[in-house]
Amino acid sequence: KAGVTQTPRYLIKTRGQQVTLSCSPISGHRSVSWYQQTPGQGLQFLFEYFSETQRNKGNFPGRFSGRQFSNSRSEMNVSTLELGDSALYLCASMGGDHFSYNSPLHFGNGTRLTVT
Amino acid sequence: AQSVAQPEDQVNVAEGNPLTVKCTYSVSGNPYLFWYVQYPNRGLQFLLKYITGDNLVKGSYGFEAEFNKSQTSFHLKKPSALVSDSALYFCAVRDTFSGYSTLTFGKGTMLLVSP
Repeated sequence: KAGVTQTPRYLIKTRGQQVTLSCSPISGHRSVSWYQQTPGQGLQFLFEYFSETQRNKGNFPGRFSGRQFSNSRSEMNVSTLELGDSALYLCASMGGDHFSYNSPLHFGNGTRLTVT
Repeated sequence: AQSVAQPEDQVNVAEGNPLTVKCTYSVSGNPYLFWYVQYPNRGLQFLLKYITGDNLVKGSYGFEAEFNKSQTSFHLKKPSALVSDSALYFCAVRDTFSGYSTLTFGKGTMLLVSP
């Protein structure tokens, strides 16, 4: 079974631009979560989607948004990029139904975003 | 609110020696606990989880973890460390008190195994 795929792997953007990151979950997984990883803050939860609906949202400004499509693929968008948005953005999918609290997350290899 | 603490930024151990990576948690209800490992320029890889039952949980690559409810801890252990175990380790918790919640991660502990 193919794992979680994130594209692109690396991105370099300029401050003020916007960016869209893509995530394809493991086949059959309906939950997709996004995390931001930085050396100083560690892993910070952005949002989670389940069957095209946002189920949870972290404490990030409105410049960060996401969506999920009917095939469970997900995208996240960051508008008006700031230098502090430079990070590794990780996508994770999870199997099971809406109440699968005990299922682990399966992570992709991330997109490394550098804002200059 | 749920939280996880990994008190050590780095753990150093010699190859062949036992290793322990510490994790404590705080939840309102019952915890679901997870350990992940991250190698450079890669995503997180699931190692093991505790949901209920035996306090000693066995996972991938010879790792195990011990759940201690009274000490609210979930330490990761391995009887004999390998150089290839050198990586960043994350503990994570999900609180079951108020229904579904997201997974909260600790800051991570860098494990360095010397030959």
